[in-house]
Amino acid sequence: AQKITQTQPGMFVQEKEAVTLDCTYDTSDQSYGLFWYKQPSSGEMIFLIYQGSYDEQNATEGRYSLNFQKARKSANLVISASQLGDSAMYFCAMSDLNSGGYQKVTFGTGTKLQVIP
Amino acid sequence: DAGVIQSPRHEVTEMGQEVTLRCKPISGHDYLFWYRQTMMRGLELLIYFNNNVPIDDSGMPEDRFSAKMPNASFSTLKIQPSEPRDSAVYFCASSPDRLGPLHFGNGTRLTVT
Repeated sequence: AQKITQTQPGMFVQEKEAVTLDCTYDTSDQSYGLFWYKQPSSGEMIFLIYQGSYDEQNATEGRYSLNFQKARKSANLVISASQLGDSAMYFCAMSDLNSGGYQKVTFGTGTKLQVIP
Repeated sequence: DAGVIQSPRHEVTEMGQEVTLRCKPISGHDYLFWYRQTMMRGLELLIYFNNNVPIDDSGMPEDRFSAKMPNASFSTLKIQPSEPRDSAVYFCASSPDRLGPLHFGNGTRLTVT
């Protein structure tokens, strides 16, 4: 079963507008972490934002915020005031534990965001 | 604070040659991961280590691939012999704890001709 689902293969947003990238997850663990990465065309994987399962406040990092809805098992990324440089692939990921108690990381398939001038 | 350092950035080699990719994780990070990314297959986990011990190598494609972590500050991924289908970007990443985010290196773009 897919543990991280990103249902939007591609999205467009007008420059200066806000955009929400969807991510749902599935885990039976009580403790887990959720995070987002940006991968521009140059190829590097850039860590954007992290949310722990016990964090009560939604994580924010500059123009990025993570809309964490635990009951719905969703961890959507919100980018405010989009810029042309935000055009990239965005990956949602989750960290929980395997049967041995070690970290296990699952990535979504990604959403390609294009910002239109 | 230095991030994850991978070398080389680019590697072009002929089929049958041995390839060694190198990674220096962030100091203090207990976990180290090796991923491979291609257009066709996306991001694939190859192997990961905890405190220098391999935890899960089920993603290693075949016996031609091997990975080592002799100490907390260095890991290698070796392909011997290399094949054209091994062409991909190989990422190394490290994590500070069991639930923390991964911090990626810039990747090694491998081309096998």
